[in-house]
Amino acid sequence: QSVLTQPPSVSGAPGQKVAISCTGSTSNIGAGYDVHWYQQLPGTAPKLLIYANSNRPSGVPDRFSASKSGTSASLAITGLQAEDEADYYCQSIDTTLSGSRVFGGGTKLTVL
Amino acid sequence: QIQLVQSGPEVKKPGASVKVSCKTSGYNFTYYGVSWVRQAPGQGPEWMAWISTYHGHSNYAPKFADRITVTTDSATSTVSLELRDLISGDTAVYYCAREDNWLDPWGQGTLVTVSS
Repeated sequence: QSVLTQPPSVSGAPGQKVAISCTGSTSNIGAGYDVHWYQQLPGTAPKLLIYANSNRPSGVPDRFSASKSGTSASLAITGLQAEDEADYYCQSIDTTLSGSRVFGGGTKLTVL
Repeated sequence: QIQLVQSGPEVKKPGASVKVSCKTSGYNFTYYGVSWVRQAPGQGPEWMAWISTYHGHSNYAPKFADRITVTTDSATSTVSLELRDLISGDTAVYYCAREDNWLDPWGQGTLVTVSS
């Protein structure tokens, strides 16, 4: 059971938009801690996709965007491409776990 | 470019210990901490520990606190993770990652297999 809750899977056709939610609590996201998002392609290490709630590292297409509100965060991907098929994870910090970094359970994105 | 290069795969028996190293390059080693994250087969990432490469202070996830040690060597820009009393449930890919609040970049991962 992950501290941050994500839907196990989402899907969309090429060109469409999908959103992935990340639900936490008042001891993590709701306590003001930043949310970061990672993309993991099969057989590779996770890669930073969004940092500090809504910021894209250089090289990440602007088709990826994210936001945070209250105890939740959301990642949006527009103009879906086949190469976006991957696992996506949100991450924050939790005060009840001695400042542990915590991850969501992950969402598998399938491009139909 | 910034790189974190980890040591090779390990196969250990239950009850043994494993040490995984993470050699960094391309940035000032003491400016950023390093976290260790593991990922069991088919599972999501699980954070294990963080260490300050500046003063060596560490923070461990409560789940691992009694059997984990993370160390830093400024002379070689290397961070190491030791996990003791291994069980089959410790079989996973272990990653190091530079931490600046967020984790970026990540090492390539080290597969640790615990099997009798």
